[in-house]
Amino acid sequence: IAGITQAPTSQILAAGRRMTLRCTQDMRHNAMYWYRQDLGLGLRLIHYSNTAGTTGKGEVPDGYSVSRANTDDFPLTLASAVPSQTSVYFCASGTGNTGELFFGEGSRLTVL
Amino acid sequence: GENVEQHPSTLSVQEGDSAVIKCTYSDSASNYFPWYKQELGKRPQLIIDIRSNVGEKKDQRIAVTLNKTAKHFSLHITETQPEDSAVYFCAASRTGNTGKLIFGQGTTLQVKP
Repeated sequence: IAGITQAPTSQILAAGRRMTLRCTQDMRHNAMYWYRQDLGLGLRLIHYSNTAGTTGKGEVPDGYSVSRANTDDFPLTLASAVPSQTSVYFCASGTGNTGELFFGEGSRLTVL
Repeated sequence: GENVEQHPSTLSVQEGDSAVIKCTYSDSASNYFPWYKQELGKRPQLIIDIRSNVGEKKDQRIAVTLNKTAKHFSLHITETQPEDSAVYFCAASRTGNTGKLIFGQGTTLQVKP
């Protein structure tokens, strides 16, 4: 089934630990995005990639890094997790020329 | 960069009534304005979008209006039903390769039967 897959679905993490959230899409979309969702703050863009090999910073990039080695994969890494990074993280993909974004199921991350 | 403000944060209506959610944006170069619906525990999904070359777009019970001069756009839901209960997000972006969407804070709509 075509779509976008995130892993893990849920994770509890000790502060200071390194964590990578995985995102894979099979729709051959050029653009991919990472958002975090927090109550009252909506969806905030962390990083994005317009095409394989390029990445850019969104609204809240500090503490996060991404890579885009190929079209399908867009992992998000927290180098040293802090409690303020407790959130639900959504990966999304799209054509990149303004159009529908397709979201993954989300990854709920708790940093203690 | 773009900033999108959304109001109200919560909205409660009786079944059959209309609901209106409003958003303002800051970047006058933005020209794409989608609306996403997120049901409880689910992923956001696109319900309607509008581009800057039109002022209004309808899809059955849902309509979106855009005022580029005032930099605001609104979602109108008529004849609301309990299944319309969800969180609604507006967003704005520019066309081109930097098609990154900036979202509003979200509106929780409750439709009471």
